[in-house]
Amino acid sequence: EAGVAQSPRYKIIEKRQSVAFWCNPISGHATLYWYQQILGQGPKLLIQFQNNGVVDDSQLPKDRFSAERLKGVDSTLKIQPAKLEDSAVYLCASSSGPGGYTFGSGTRLTVV
Amino acid sequence: GNSVTQMEGPVTLSEEAFLTINCTYTATGYPSLFWYVQYPGEGLQLLLKATKADDKGSNKGFEATYRKETTSFHLEKGSVQVSDSAVYFCALSEGTGGFKTIFGAGTRLFVKA
Repeated sequence: EAGVAQSPRYKIIEKRQSVAFWCNPISGHATLYWYQQILGQGPKLLIQFQNNGVVDDSQLPKDRFSAERLKGVDSTLKIQPAKLEDSAVYLCASSSGPGGYTFGSGTRLTVV
Repeated sequence: GNSVTQMEGPVTLSEEAFLTINCTYTATGYPSLFWYVQYPGEGLQLLLKATKADDKGSNKGFEATYRKETTSFHLEKGSVQVSDSAVYFCALSEGTGGFKTIFGAGTRLFVKA
C-alpha cells in the first residue's frame, strides 16, 4: 500500500512569514495526526483528526497554528506568523485503529 | 497524565554486542506499548508493539516484553549490526485518548563496526 505522503520535504522561511504543509494519509485511515519533533526530542502531538473532525488539539498553539482536514482525507497544517522556535520536523501520521501509526517522512522547517 | 521515560543516549556499541534500551511508562489505564525507530533523514517506523501485560513484541531480532508490574517495556537485541544505528522511541497509546500516542524523548544508538 502507498505510505503517508507529505510535502514539501524541506522549507526555509524568515520569521513572521507564513508556511503550509500538506499530508495525504493512507487510503482508508480515518485518523490523522500532526506531530512536531524538535531536534533531540520525541514527537509532540499537535492535532488529531477523526475523519474530518478534530479529536484533540489541546497542544496546538492556536494563535499561530491552524489545521484542517477537508473531506476527511488529506490535511494541511499552517503556521502564521512563524517564530524561530517553530523550527522542527513536522510529521504526519495516520492509523486505522490501535495497532500503531504509519508516519510520513516529515517536513523539516527552518525559521531564520 | 500519561508519560514515557526512556534512557538517555547516545548508546554506543560494537557490532554483535547485546542491546538494552530501558523504557518505563506512567498510564492511568491499560495502554498499548510501542517501539518506533527513526533512521537518519527518515520518518518514524513502527518496530514492534504489545497490547497487554506479558505480551512480547518482536521484529527484526528486536524484542520487548510488556511488564505491568514494573511498568516497563525494555527493548533488547542479542546482536546489533551497524545498520541498527538509529534513534529508538518508546511510546504508549490508550483508547480513551482516541489512540493518541505519547512518545519518549528517544535514545540514539551508534553501532561501530
